[in-house]
Amino acid sequence: GAVVSQHPSWVICKSGTSVKIECRSLDFQATTMFWYRQFPKQSLMLMATSNEGSKATYEQGVEKDKFLINHASLTLSTLTVTSAHPEDSSFYICSAPLAVGETQYFGPGTRLLVL
Amino acid sequence: AQSVSQHNHHVILSEAASLELGCNYSYGGTVNLFWYVQYPGQHLQLLLKYFSGDPLVKGIKGFEAEFIKSKFSFNLRKPSVQWSDTAEYFCAVNDGNYGGSQGNLIFGKGTKLSVKP
Repeated sequence: GAVVSQHPSWVICKSGTSVKIECRSLDFQATTMFWYRQFPKQSLMLMATSNEGSKATYEQGVEKDKFLINHASLTLSTLTVTSAHPEDSSFYICSAPLAVGETQYFGPGTRLLVL
Repeated sequence: AQSVSQHNHHVILSEAASLELGCNYSYGGTVNLFWYVQYPGQHLQLLLKYFSGDPLVKGIKGFEAEFIKSKFSFNLRKPSVQWSDTAEYFCAVNDGNYGGSQGNLIFGKGTKLSVKP
């Protein structure tokens, strides 16, 4: 069964609003979670590494003030897309390793459509 | 810059046909290599991985992949596909010095496999 969940699975919002996406590890603690973004017919691109108890690490070109990440607990990381615009429409996927050195498990993704 | 190339965007096969999906990467150092599968409506799942050792890796559901260092390739194979193998397949690579849990996975664009019953 799924070991990483995401909520919501899809969201439609108006331009200028903020959207929060949750990523939860099920039955295990994840000190690190990862957020990816996937455009249609393109590969997943790592956006940031979410660290429990400390600031997230953002990849080059990803605006940290635009994509706020909060790793509130060992089982929850949230990604907030602030003041969303149509170009932010995408498929957002999180992942987490079961343990240090273990392979990542991916969530089902959240499809965001900004009108 | 690191990159992963998957040569085929869409592959269509009949059941029982053999499968080979190409994956080439561009990276100068030690690498970990992965194949992920995404069935329709489901999340990404690990199919198999290579960290070190035997370059021929066997994964779940009869899949295998061979790491050929000289060719920077990690092609996925299955001798006889089934209708249930219809899915999208992603090749990925990350820095081998940091272990499999590191987030800096570089993904290919994916290959969609359609198997006709």
